[in-house]
Amino acid sequence: EPEVTQTPSHQVTQMGQEVILRCVPISNHLYFYWYRQILGQKVEFLVSFYNNEISEKSEIFDDQFSVERPDGSNFTLKIRSTKLEDSAMYFCASSAARYEQFFGPGTRLTVL
Amino acid sequence: AQSVTQLGSHVSVSEGALVLLRCNYSSSVPPYLFWYVQYPNQGLQLLLKYTTGATLVKGINGFEAEFKKSETSFHLTKPSAHMSDAAEYFCAVSKNNAGNMLTFGGGTRLMVKP
Repeated sequence: EPEVTQTPSHQVTQMGQEVILRCVPISNHLYFYWYRQILGQKVEFLVSFYNNEISEKSEIFDDQFSVERPDGSNFTLKIRSTKLEDSAMYFCASSAARYEQFFGPGTRLTVL
Repeated sequence: AQSVTQLGSHVSVSEGALVLLRCNYSSSVPPYLFWYVQYPNQGLQLLLKYTTGATLVKGINGFEAEFKKSETSFHLTKPSAHMSDAAEYFCAVSKNNAGNMLTFGGGTRLMVKP
């Protein structure tokens, strides 16, 4: 069964450093998403991406965040200058036209 | 704007007992509704969804949910709990368009006692 994959599973970084979180969506999907879950809190939407551009973004997704689909398979989330409060589990998801979003296993980001 | 409220951050049931996890939503447009399950150290897995049509929807692992527009609810049930059902459950809502963001509730941790 096709699935969304994410690398790395755990990323530790120093405050102020740049990180890139990687995702490989399901191959025939057209819509791509990033969500995050701070420990003990609800899952929050960050951004959605369709046809090589951002279709929707939340207030959390400020100028320090960017997304890219550099080739036909990868979908990345870049955080330019990490802050302590960026520590969270980051989930990538993808969907086809049937609206059902499939989630990856997540990347746990720890900012020290 | 859309929002989801899950009543009860923790629910404990005995094995074999009825599972009832509550979800109420707010949406300015007809919603799509979802239940996801998260096992420890894993991602979110879709249990079931309501888009249009029959208001009682059946999902995986014996779970079902009923969309009640008049009550703005989408409660999740399972007739008989199994130990393997212990996990965190998230209710989510989206607008009725493809590619729209999911808004999640705070989650309910289900514990199953032997």
